[in-house]
Amino acid sequence: RKEVEQDPGPFNVPEGATVAFNCTYSNSASQSFFWYRQDCRKEPKLLMSVYSSGNEDGRFTAQLNRASQYISLLIRDSKLSDSATYLCVVNPGGYNKLIFGAGTRLAVHP
Amino acid sequence: EAGVAQSPRYKIIEKRQSVAFWCNPISGHATLYWYQQILGQGPKLLIQFQNNGVVDDSQLPKDRFSAERLKGVDSTLKIQPAKLEDSAVYLCASSPISRDRVYEQYFGPGTRLTVT
Repeated sequence: RKEVEQDPGPFNVPEGATVAFNCTYSNSASQSFFWYRQDCRKEPKLLMSVYSSGNEDGRFTAQLNRASQYISLLIRDSKLSDSATYLCVVNPGGYNKLIFGAGTRLAVHP
Repeated sequence: EAGVAQSPRYKIIEKRQSVAFWCNPISGHATLYWYQQILGQGPKLLIQFQNNGVVDDSQLPKDRFSAERLKGVDSTLKIQPAKLEDSAVYLCASSPISRDRVYEQYFGPGTRLTVT
């Protein structure tokens, strides 16, 4: 079983749509959680951290369910510029180590 | 502020040849990471340095891969000899030293390696 699992997509949505991505992780001792964004042929960049209480950053909302070992990302009012791969990332504990999922590809069309 | 620098950006070699990649992290970042990203997959950590010491190299194929960070600043990753399955993007990242929290990792543009 992979440590971090994501639906690879692609999710093809029209501008203005709401889309949600899910991610599960296997290590119950994992301590910190993130979403990174990776544009085509570019490096990953931090999109947002994920907190137990849930957190929102503009059109983006991230949630964590520790009991189910599940993380989600909701994007409202999708823009063309949101087209990218969204990587679910987990810190299993210690030394800033990160485990990346394979990513979910999002394509927003006019 | 300058980001993480990597070179070369692209490299094409034949199998069994050797190759080296260079990374210069963000100034002041004590932790440096090398990742391998195969097409369609997420980045996989190969090795993590804290200053010039190795923190984690559990997924580094040590029979062919080596890495060093001699002065605690820039780093070199080497593959010798290369195999076809080493074709990937090699990403370098850096972050401040981690004590009580997980810091954002800043990635360089990567080196795209093709082994033929």
